[in-house]
Amino acid sequence: GQSLEQPSEVTAVEGAIVQINCTYQTSGFYGLSWYQQHDGGAPTFLSYNALDGLEETGRFSSFLSRSDSYGYLLLQELQMKDSASYFCAVSSLSGGYQKVTFGTGTKLQVIP
Amino acid sequence: DTGVSQDPRHKITKRGQNVTFRCDPISEHNRLYWYRQTLGQGPEFLTYFQNEAQLEKSRLLSDRFSAERPKGSFSTLEIQRTEQGDSAMYLCASSQGGQSTGELFFGEGSRLTVL
Repeated sequence: GQSLEQPSEVTAVEGAIVQINCTYQTSGFYGLSWYQQHDGGAPTFLSYNALDGLEETGRFSSFLSRSDSYGYLLLQELQMKDSASYFCAVSSLSGGYQKVTFGTGTKLQVIP
Repeated sequence: DTGVSQDPRHKITKRGQNVTFRCDPISEHNRLYWYRQTLGQGPEFLTYFQNEAQLEKSRLLSDRFSAERPKGSFSTLEIQRTEQGDSAMYLCASSQGGQSTGELFFGEGSRLTVL
């Protein structure tokens, strides 16, 4: 089966940088994604890493180390609107198709 | 709007009643997923369709749950004889087969409250 671990809560100051870590265990690993979800909203896709290294998309960057089964999401120049839950999700090959399994999420609170 | 749509957005029902949720995925997407999410938790995988074929069903789903995707377009998720433990947000997501970005497109969800 699949399992993912990420911190349950993180608090950071507006304008600062925060890193949310994710470790995973899975067979048939394909890639690691990150999603953002505001209270009452739907999860929205942020980034995807299939290969080792850093992917940058604006203020958000995501890193993957396949050998360590580890990744992180880096949020820079934090804004109040970044307060949300962030989920890492593992894509794995299961029975010939790409299954996506989510972690339990990290609630980020950005304070002034 | 060409996103994933779900209906109804909210459903309140009494224990023992049957409920059905509908999901209309993005039209060109052949993959459709159902997830369940409770407060403070991540989305839990329920089932997956590729076109009209249901390829996997989670062990979390009892035989009270059934999902269909006739003609490979919209999908329905039915819960029979609802229990209070079924109260959750039911999320539908779709994606295009063959894409390599890992991106799922989620609907706004159908929130179920079982009294």
